[in-house]
Amino acid sequence: KQEVTQIPAALSVPEGENLVLNCSFTDSAIYNLQWFRQDPGKGLTSLLLIQSSQREQTSGRLNASLDKSSGRSTLYIAASQPGDSATYLCAVRRAGGTSYGKLTFGQGTILTVHP
Amino acid sequence: NAGVTQTPKFQVLKTGQSMTLQCAQDMNHNSMYWYRQDPGMGLRLIYYSASEGTTDKGEVPNGYNVSRLNKREFSLRLESAAPSQTSVYFCATVRGGAGAYNEQFFGPGTRLTVL
Repeated sequence: KQEVTQIPAALSVPEGENLVLNCSFTDSAIYNLQWFRQDPGKGLTSLLLIQSSQREQTSGRLNASLDKSSGRSTLYIAASQPGDSATYLCAVRRAGGTSYGKLTFGQGTILTVHP
Repeated sequence: NAGVTQTPKFQVLKTGQSMTLQCAQDMNHNSMYWYRQDPGMGLRLIYYSASEGTTDKGEVPNGYNVSRLNKREFSLRLESAAPSQTSVYFCATVRGGAGAYNEQFFGPGTRLTVL
């Protein structure tokens, strides 16, 4: 059974700092890994999607990497801003089987960026 | 385009009452999903529909039923609500089939409390 773990559970940083969020998964047989952002009381917003054949994806100040063989992904946020404060979730999509498109989520990292 | 919409946004039920959560998408996506999000448990898949006319159980289907009414709409029904079903419910969609290049998009959620 796929298990996804995110470390740290919570992170508080001053504005302007570069930071790394970690995600690990136990089964490397994945199609892709997706990073989401969730603001309090809101839904999930997709940030980056990395295919299993890719090593990284970038969008603005965000960079996500994937090392499928070791079961790890990182989300790098450059020059953090208070508006980046949110919960960040990673999720993996299993390859094959009957779990059609099912995502397995980590518990999330609660990020607070203070001015 | 509205993307993925869910109704209602909030609901309070008494134990034993029934209700249906509605989800609609205007992205012409084939696959739709229902997740629940609970503190300490993360997001868990309840049911999914790979395409119009098909539905399958996810991790936590007990106490729920679903209907894929057409390509746009996927509803989740609680026949006899229990306090353990207090949660935030998210609907999600994926454009394609089992291919790796498909991102999931989430609705804003329905916050359900069962007293």
